[in-house]
Amino acid sequence: ETGVTQSPTHLIKTRGQQVTLRCSSQSGHNTVSWYQQALGQGPQFIFQYYREEENGRGNFPPRFSGLQFPNYSSELNVNALELDDSALYLCASSSRGGTYNEQFFGPGTRLTVL
Amino acid sequence: RKEVEQDPGPFNVPEGATVAFNCTYSNSASQSFFWYRQDCRKEPKLLMSVYSSGNEDGRFTAQLNRASQYISLLIRDSKLSDSATYLCVVNNVDTGRRALTFGSGTRLQVQP
Repeated sequence: ETGVTQSPTHLIKTRGQQVTLRCSSQSGHNTVSWYQQALGQGPQFIFQYYREEENGRGNFPPRFSGLQFPNYSSELNVNALELDDSALYLCASSSRGGTYNEQFFGPGTRLTVL
Repeated sequence: RKEVEQDPGPFNVPEGATVAFNCTYSNSASQSFFWYRQDCRKEPKLLMSVYSSGNEDGRFTAQLNRASQYISLLIRDSKLSDSATYLCVVNNVDTGRRALTFGSGTRLQVQP
């Protein structure tokens, strides 16, 4: 096990609602990245947080937002949910300066939007 | 064009077979390369990093050709437990961002 935890494991929402997903990083890691994985696709980078600040963002609209806390845990918030937001949301923790930026993934939160 | 391209498969092979997966990437500035393994409905897990000189880990051999922007993974003596999706991953470190870019994955099914 990587030591990265995510909650909840599953979630069902309806269009237009808002959702918050949570991630606790592995001990000693200060960087958290979030990815969205649609069915049959590889994970797509949403954004990354380092020392409580956003440190890079993928091609996702502003209704995807996040936070990182002083203990390096992180939240992903999605507003105005759309059907296409249904996916597995993965967080990955890593440490700046780590070898080849190895990222350790949590088990994911499976979001279904109806 | 996707930044990382893989054959989606599936590759159906018998136990004991040798199977090879290929991957191409479009960003010549890519700096680090990996193969991840993902079991059904689970998170991706690092299988191995890929070094310019090529590297081997037991039955697994990874190769990188920077000139052709091509990465490969060879699995020898396939086991039933190797059945999974194999994700080709590159890392582009620009302006401090360290995001991984994934291919869509190649599915492997090893049959008895």
